[in-house]
Amino acid sequence: DGGITQSPKYLFRKEGQNVTLSCEQNLNHDAMYWYRQDPGQGLRLIYYSQIVNDFQKGDIAEGYSVSREKKESFPLTVTSAQKNPTAFYLCASSITELSTNEKLFFGSGTQLSVL
Amino acid sequence: AQKVTQAQTEISVVEKEDVTLDCVYETRDTTYYLFWYKQPPSGELVFLIRRNSFDEQNEISGRYSWNFQKSTSSFNFTITASQVVDSAVYFCALSEPFMDSNYQLIWGAGTKLIIKP
Repeated sequence: DGGITQSPKYLFRKEGQNVTLSCEQNLNHDAMYWYRQDPGQGLRLIYYSQIVNDFQKGDIAEGYSVSREKKESFPLTVTSAQKNPTAFYLCASSITELSTNEKLFFGSGTQLSVL
Repeated sequence: AQKVTQAQTEISVVEKEDVTLDCVYETRDTTYYLFWYKQPPSGELVFLIRRNSFDEQNEISGRYSWNFQKSTSSFNFTITASQVVDSAVYFCALSEPFMDSNYQLIWGAGTKLIIKP
């Protein structure tokens, strides 16, 4: 079955530590996205990538970094500069870029907590 | 300002009741898109519907229906004869032009729907 796989499902970060969240898709989609979800709030865009080796900052990129070396993979690193990282992180993809208003396909998320 | 308001934080109904989830949006653009997504307890969001601003026809899909009214900037979602499996968080989102040919997606805060057996 095609879809988006996020791992791990739960992740704990120590003070000053960088952690990386994995996102893999086998839908052959060009565009991929990372969203942050906090309780009682809508999703906020962290980074997005419309094509391999290219990515753009979203609304809340500070303290995060990404790479897009392969079409299938879009890992997110939460750096020590992100002072409030506890949240639910969702990876998504779409067939093409945002300008075509494609629907998004989502992974099942990673819950990141600070120890 | 672009904004999506889902005023109902949580709704609880008994199975088989009808329930309407409200979504009110603000935009200055004449061309935009509206979406509804469902987030079950498993976590992943699932696409339900997309509507463009030029299509005000209401949509029905099984027990789900959507009422789009540009005059009141609303895109409400109704579940008829609710079932326990409908329990989830439902998000409304607005997509509108942003920086050249791109679009930005603005999300509402979500409405948690609890269907009691």
